Amino acid sequence: QSALTQPASVSGSPGQSITISCTGSSSDVGGSNYVSWYQQQPGKAPKVIISDVSNRPSGVSTRFSGSKSGNTASLTISGLQADDEADYYCSSFSSTNSLVFGGGTTVTVL
Amino acid sequence: QVQLLQSGVEVKKSGASVKVSCKASGYTFSAYGITWVRQAPGEGLEWMGWISAYTGNTHFAEKFEGRVTLTTDMSTSTAYMQLRGLRSDDTAVYYCATEYRSSSRWGPTDWGQGTLVIVSS
Repeated sequence: QSALTQPASVSGSPGQSITISCTGSSSDVGGSNYVSWYQQQPGKAPKVIISDVSNRPSGVSTRFSGSKSGNTASLTISGLQADDEADYYCSSFSSTNSLVFGGGTTVTVL
Repeated sequence: QVQLLQSGVEVKKSGASVKVSCKASGYTFSAYGITWVRQAPGEGLEWMGWISAYTGNTHFAEKFEGRVTLTTDMSTSTAYMQLRGLRSDDTAVYYCATEYRSSSRWGPTDWGQGTLVIVSS
């Protein structure tokens, strides 16, 4: 069982916006500025899309945005495209001095 | 650009050890750390630990403490992960990553291509 809880799947039509949640506790998401989001295509390494809750590292599309409220972080993908189909993982620094991940969310473009 | 090039597929017997390498290029290796993450087939990501490339200071997930050794070689900009006492549930893809584009080691941004380790009995 993963430390952070994500929905197993989220779907949307091309052009729509979708949001993926990542729920933890005050020991991780709620108490950390170090929340990241990763996109993983089948058979590929994870690719960072959001760092430090809401920062987009250089080279990442502006269609991806991150936020946090209390113990829940969120990733929003706007203008959904076919190549956004992938697994998405959140991660957070934990007060146990470790990095914890969510279980992953599969995004399907209808 | 930042590149992390990992060693190839490993097939090991239960009880053996494996050592995976991760050669960095495109940035100042000593200025950042290396995180190791693994992913079992069809499963999610699991953090194993982190090493400072400069000081060699390490941090491990509790479940790997005592079974994993992380090292770096600054002369070749290469990081290594050794896992001992392999079991079938250690079969996974092992990734190295660095926090080059993040403000902290708790958000690795640039990842290697992964190394598949298969443990057979």
